[in-house]
Amino acid sequence: NFMLTQPHSVSESPGKTVTIPCTRSSGSIASNHVQWYQQRPGSAPTTVIYENNQRPSGVPDRFSGSIDSSSNSASLTIFGLKTEDEADYYCQSYDSTNQVFGGGTKLTVL
Amino acid sequence: EVQLVESGGGLAQPGGSLRLSCAASGFTFSRYWMTWVRQAPGKGLEWVANIKEDGSEKYYVDSVKGRFSISRDNAKNSVYLQMNSLRAEDKAVYYCARLNFYYYGVDVWGQGTTVTVSS
Repeated sequence: NFMLTQPHSVSESPGKTVTIPCTRSSGSIASNHVQWYQQRPGSAPTTVIYENNQRPSGVPDRFSGSIDSSSNSASLTIFGLKTEDEADYYCQSYDSTNQVFGGGTKLTVL
Repeated sequence: EVQLVESGGGLAQPGGSLRLSCAASGFTFSRYWMTWVRQAPGKGLEWVANIKEDGSEKYYVDSVKGRFSISRDNAKNSVYLQMNSLRAEDKAVYYCARLNFYYYGVDVWGQGTTVTVSS
């Protein structure tokens, strides 16, 4: 089994760009697809990125996902930050038949 | 509209049982894997269990093996989570979700149902 490690929190100003990393502890990050979920306070999660870099319909193109084999990490980048982007973000991948979630990153937009 | 609606949460005593239900609508339920994900108060998301389209394969996180059981009824478009021998650490919001088997991620989430374990 592997773990996905995310920073506990990040903060940035409105209009700026922020990147949230998700590092896989063992095995290649490219071996299994990575998803990203947004969870606003008091709400259920929603999917913002799937298959490493795909956006579901309705998710603005300010959200971008990528993977980097050199750092064995996935990243979620949000361009042109808005106050509504303030939320917890979770990366997720899988190991055999088990889903693995990162610990989550609290994004503050101030 | 694709929708998942959970029910069955509530208060249970340590060692007790609860059965969660999730009603699906707006898609062909029998064509999808389904999953339960939980979130303890103030904590992150934790995968709990998966079930294949026809119910023939089931997988669980180690901490619930032997205590929880996932099942489904495709005729009723529903998936269930039977939780026995509940522990204080099982207290959480439980989300029912649709699993996209191609990329093994969630593409539809329910709103969640709260389980409290306390004497």
